[in-house]
Amino acid sequence: AQSVTQPDIHITVSEGASLELRCNYSYGATPYLFWYVQSPGQGLQLLLKYFSGDTLVQGIKGFEAEFKRSQSSFNLRKPSVHWSDAAEYFCAGGLSGGNEKLTFGTGTRLTIIP
Amino acid sequence: AAGVIQSPRHLIKEKRETATLKCYPIPRHDTVYWYQQGPGQDPQFLISFYEKMQSDKGSIPDRFSAQQFSDYHSELNMSSLELGDSALYFCASSPTFGNQETQYFGPGTRLLVL
Repeated sequence: AQSVTQPDIHITVSEGASLELRCNYSYGATPYLFWYVQSPGQGLQLLLKYFSGDTLVQGIKGFEAEFKRSQSSFNLRKPSVHWSDAAEYFCAGGLSGGNEKLTFGTGTRLTIIP
Repeated sequence: AAGVIQSPRHLIKEKRETATLKCYPIPRHDTVYWYQQGPGQDPQFLISFYEKMQSDKGSIPDRFSAQQFSDYHSELNMSSLELGDSALYFCASSPTFGNQETQYFGPGTRLLVL
């Protein structure tokens, strides 16, 4: 069965520090991978996506993610976090072909401390 | 840019009542997806439609039904509501051409069943 795993339930980072959120996937073939961010009581905003090609993808708000096939990972990174980055982050995967449902990880809650 | 529209944004119902949630996809998006996010949970896929036909079905209770109309908007009908149906219901849409795998989420409808 397809699955997406986010090992870290909660991460606390100091403002200005670097960030890495982990995501692992288990699919029969390489899935399409996404990172979404959800602020409290809000919807899901797409940060970035990986389909194929360059394994380092750039997203909005200064985020990037690296696809590593050998590790079945798609970790999200940001060199310097801002207080406004505090939110819930979801990694999601979907099969290729279009119109496929997304399978989400359980999310990582990011807290930023001054 | 136009986004996915969901209405209502908030809904309070009593047990055993019915509810109808509406979703208006981004223009030129012909695929609609419904997800349910329980408190502190990740979004779970319910059902999807492509060109007004059901394309996939997830963990959607038999008490729920949905359809997509000729203008591509979709409605999720929920009957005999239970306390456990209290959740945030997201609609997402994906485009007809290009980036068909990318789902854009609406702000969600928060349903509270009392």
